[in-house]
Amino acid sequence: DAKTTQPNSMESNEEEPVHLPCNHSTISGTDYIHWYRQLPSQGPEYVIHGLTSNVNNRMASLAIAEDRKSSTLILHRATLRDAAVYYCILRKGGSEKLVFGKGTKLTVNP
Amino acid sequence: DAGVIQSPRHEVTEMGQEVTLRCKPISGHNSLFWYRQTMMRGLELLIYFNNNVPIDDSGMPEDRFSAKMPNASFSTLKIQPSEPRDSAVYFCASRSGLAVAYEQYFGPGTRLTVT
Repeated sequence: DAKTTQPNSMESNEEEPVHLPCNHSTISGTDYIHWYRQLPSQGPEYVIHGLTSNVNNRMASLAIAEDRKSSTLILHRATLRDAAVYYCILRKGGSEKLVFGKGTKLTVNP
Repeated sequence: DAGVIQSPRHEVTEMGQEVTLRCKPISGHNSLFWYRQTMMRGLELLIYFNNNVPIDDSGMPEDRFSAKMPNASFSTLKIQPSEPRDSAVYFCASRSGLAVAYEQYFGPGTRLTVT
C-alpha cells in the first residue's frame, strides 16, 4: 500500500489560512486522496477527497500536485474548532479500506 | 439522523471477562467498519462488512476477537477473553452504498479498559 508522510504538528492563528501538506510519492493511478480529521475525544470526521483535480467543499479545499505525489489541505480561515489531528489517507479505487497514519496535529492559537 | 450509535460509551472489565461492543450504523448505509485506536498503534481497521457480509477481517488481532452483523442495523464486536492490552477506544463507522458517497461516518467510540 502506498504511504503518506505528514508533519507531526503545525500551528496556526485564528482566522488565518492553514495549509496542511501531505507527501505520497508512491501513489498509484487508482489511489484516491482522502482527508479526515479527529477532534479531541471524538471519532474521525470526513473532510474532503479527490483523485486528480483540485476540490472544494464547505469545509476545506484540496490542492493536488500535477504529478499527484503530494497534496495540500487548505483551511481558508482557521477557527479554534479546527484544532484537531488531520489525516491524509490513500484509498485504492474499488476498495473501502482506509489506512490511517499518525496525522498532523493542528493547534490553532486565538 | 442520529448518526452512528455505539454502546456502551465506556466499559471497564477485568482480565478474562467477555466484552461485547455494539454498533448501530446510519440507516440505509451498506458498509460497516470496526476500528481500534491506541496511543501506540494509532487508528487500525479491524474488520469491515458490506451488506452484512464480512469482507476483510485481516486486521482482527487474534481469535479472541470476533465480529458479527446479523442484520443491516446492528453489529457486535466481541472479545473473549479480554486482556489488558485490549484497552483502547473502539470506533464503529458506516458508509452509504452509493458509489459516489465515499465518506465513512464514525461513531463516538467505546473506551474499553481491561484491568
